[in-house]
Amino acid sequence: ILNVEQSPQSLHVQEGDSTNFTCSFPSSNFYALHWYRWETAKSPEALFVMTLNGDEKKKGRISATLNTKEGYSYLYIKGSQPEDSATYLCALNPNTGNQFYFGTGTSLTVIP
Amino acid sequence: DAGITQSPRHKVTETGTPVTLRCHQTENHRYMYWYRQDPGHGLRLIHYSYGVKDTDKGEVSDGYSVSRSKTEDFLLTLESATSSQTSVYFCAISTASTDTQYFGPGTRLTVL
Repeated sequence: ILNVEQSPQSLHVQEGDSTNFTCSFPSSNFYALHWYRWETAKSPEALFVMTLNGDEKKKGRISATLNTKEGYSYLYIKGSQPEDSATYLCALNPNTGNQFYFGTGTSLTVIP
Repeated sequence: DAGITQSPRHKVTETGTPVTLRCHQTENHRYMYWYRQDPGHGLRLIHYSYGVKDTDKGEVSDGYSVSRSKTEDFLLTLESATSSQTSVYFCAISTASTDTQYFGPGTRLTVL
């Protein structure tokens, strides 16, 4: 079992604020890192797949960076909106086996 | 929605009874997964399949069995349900073990 950690566990921000959170993983087991967005009462929705050290991905106001050498990825949300409220999950796709290892998520609440 | 359905969507059952959950896909994806989601644990892999009749255990497989007799269907069976198996169960599919996983809508199971 590989340990994937996300911080903070939860976050409340005001509408318009920018925010970021972290996903940490064992760097020696890295193949790819996936970010998902999970709204309450729905199923997780894929945001990004990141494979190369130094990767940066962007989708609208959401972006992510990857550091495979030190074993972390950051997710950034610029100008948070209430519709960004969700749990953001990261999942490590290791270099052995067929499994993903999910973190426990960061719950984001954007206050209007 | 990547052509994944789960049935039933909600089920209440009693301790000791057998329960089968079904995941059905229309995407012809090779890989199918069963996860459970519990507070504080995120998504944990129960079992997965990498082809018809090819399955393997995940992190939390005790008390669960699976079967895949057709590409499109992956069944999860609780042989004798226990209260600790009360959870939300998600099915996911992917084209390869390293690719993005796409999730079904979830099944909420309550074992009394």
